[in-house]
Amino acid sequence: AQSVSQHNHHVILSEAASLELGCNYSYGGTVNLFWYVQYPGQHLQLLLKYFSGDPLVKGIKGFEAEFIKSKFSFNLRKPSVQWSDTAEYFCAAGTSGTYKYIFGTGTRLKVLA
Amino acid sequence: KAGVTQTPRYLIKTRGQQVTLSCSPISGHRSVSWYQQTPGQGLQFLFEYFSETQRNKGNFPGRFSGRQFSNSRSEMNVSTLELGDSALYLCASSPRTSGRANTGELFFGEGSRLTVL
Repeated sequence: AQSVSQHNHHVILSEAASLELGCNYSYGGTVNLFWYVQYPGQHLQLLLKYFSGDPLVKGIKGFEAEFIKSKFSFNLRKPSVQWSDTAEYFCAAGTSGTYKYIFGTGTRLKVLA
Repeated sequence: KAGVTQTPRYLIKTRGQQVTLSCSPISGHRSVSWYQQTPGQGLQFLFEYFSETQRNKGNFPGRFSGRQFSNSRSEMNVSTLELGDSALYLCASSPRTSGRANTGELFFGEGSRLTVL
């Protein structure tokens, strides 16, 4: 069955710490991968996406993610987090050409000033 | 450019009632998707509409239905409400263009929070 797993449900970091959020997927066929972020009181918005090509993708606000096909992973990283990165982060996957996406259960990140 | 608009933002219903939620996509977007968001379950795909046709459907019972109008606005309906239907219902739109312009990105609204008592 198709699935997306986020193993970290809650993460607490101090400002300037490095961040890595795990995402693993189980999908047949060509898969498109996304990270979305939901800041407090705001709607979900796209951080970055991977369709094909360079497995290291860069998104907004200094975030990047690496697609590792052999590990079925698409982990999100940021070298130095800021207080404003406090939010909930969702990994999502979908079969190329469709608009049916499976989301992970989300990771709540709290950054301490 | 106005974002995705969902109405109502909050509503309370009782078991057995039915509810209709509305979504106005970003101007020019022809695809509308609906997701149910609950704590611990994350976002679960309900269905996607494009050109007034349901293109994809998630694993929800037949009590959940939707439709799309010629102006791309969409509604979803839940009949015979159950306590477990309490959730945030998110609508997302997308241009759904073909070729290189197809980013696959979803643009989300703020959601309609449904409480079933």
